[in-house]
Amino acid sequence: KAGVTQTPRYLIKTRGQQVTLSCSPISGHRSVSWYQQTPGQGLQFLFEYFSETQRNKGNFPGRFSGRQFSNSRSEMNVSTLELGDSALYLCASSLAPGGQGPQHFGDGTRLSIL
Amino acid sequence: GQNIDQPTEMTATEGAIVQINCTYQTSGFNGLFWYQQHAGEAPTFLSYNVLDGLEEKGRFSSFLSRSKGYSYLLLKELQMKDSASYLCAVNNAGNMLTFGGGTRLMVKP
Repeated sequence: KAGVTQTPRYLIKTRGQQVTLSCSPISGHRSVSWYQQTPGQGLQFLFEYFSETQRNKGNFPGRFSGRQFSNSRSEMNVSTLELGDSALYLCASSLAPGGQGPQHFGDGTRLSIL
Repeated sequence: GQNIDQPTEMTATEGAIVQINCTYQTSGFNGLFWYQQHAGEAPTFLSYNVLDGLEEKGRFSSFLSRSKGYSYLLLKELQMKDSASYLCAVNNAGNMLTFGGGTRLMVKP
């Protein structure tokens, strides 16, 4: 069974640009959550999607947005990039929504802002 | 607000036992998870506690006390490959996972 797949693995952007990250969950998983991981702040929750609906949103500015498609694949978009957005962005999928069961993480997209 | 505390770093010897503590103060509680994350890799699920008590899974055990807002992860017969960060995460009343900062465990020979 294939795991969670995130693309691209690495990305370099400049301030002011926008970026779209992709996540394909484990087959059969309908919940997809996104996290930002930095050395200083640890793992911080961005948002969760279940059956194409955003169920929860963390404390991030509106520049961070996402969506989920009917095949449960999800995308995350960050507009007007800032230096502080440099981080590892992790996607996790699970069978049940809302942290009711274990989440399975992808290898992440490492985003560097110059 | 949500507050989850774990020690930042711990060091232990190969073959020994180590206990990693996690205390939490969250708005509601719907379960606690432990994840392991090796440097440069994705977190992997270790354990899930929703009721008080000890859950044992091979060399790893996890304990929960909801009244004390406390959990620990116990690693027995430590191996060099256990050197990693261990993340405690709480599912709060809003069914949202909040992670602690992680405990970096170094296992020495």
